[in-house]
Amino acid sequence: DTAVSQTPKYLVTQMGNDKSIKCEQNLGHDTMYWYKQDSKKFLKIMFSYNNKELIINETVPNRFSPKSPDKAHLNLHINSLELGDSAVYFCASSFDRRYEQYFGPGTRLTVT
Amino acid sequence: QKEVEQNSGPLSVPEGAIASLNCTYSDRVSQSFFWYRQYSGKSPELIMSIYSNGDKEDGRFTAQLNKASQYVSLLIRDSQPSDSATYLCAVRPNSGYALNFGKGTSLLVTP
Repeated sequence: DTAVSQTPKYLVTQMGNDKSIKCEQNLGHDTMYWYKQDSKKFLKIMFSYNNKELIINETVPNRFSPKSPDKAHLNLHINSLELGDSAVYFCASSFDRRYEQYFGPGTRLTVT
Repeated sequence: QKEVEQNSGPLSVPEGAIASLNCTYSDRVSQSFFWYRQYSGKSPELIMSIYSNGDKEDGRFTAQLNKASQYVSLLIRDSQPSDSATYLCAVRPNSGYALNFGKGTSLLVTP
């Protein structure tokens, strides 16, 4: 069973488009996250979501918005895509903010 | 920005040797520390977590934490070519949910 899953695995789109990435976890965790890994492989937090509390990294453009229909899902919606948004986006989850985070397989986004 | 520093490497060790990976962090009140392994094109995979000073062993892996000196290390005994990957150090500060990652150390284990 896949613990943290993401769809799609690859996403190629043009500048200006709007796209979504879906994330689901079947671990029963309470907290979910979105991370961005850029071309230099640096992994940086974008959002944390726990019990409907959203914590946003202040450096994230407001074109990015997380949406959580329930505790097991945290989707990422991106408006007006830009070339600089090209990266690998990872979803992660943890039982509690103090404990280990488990990562999904990633979504490689390419904006042309 | 709370920083986590790692030597980018590559660190090259022969098969069977001990690989030593180091990490320093700037936030003195950090509480939780993790080591992840990331193969090229794959997602980070949790190897070890450590929360208190001292050593923690799990199979061939040993994590060491020294909060006074603000460093955490990972030792890999009997290194195998399959251990060749990038190792990411992650630190969770006292407040907040997210992990702060270092840029990773590339490890190459040569047969």
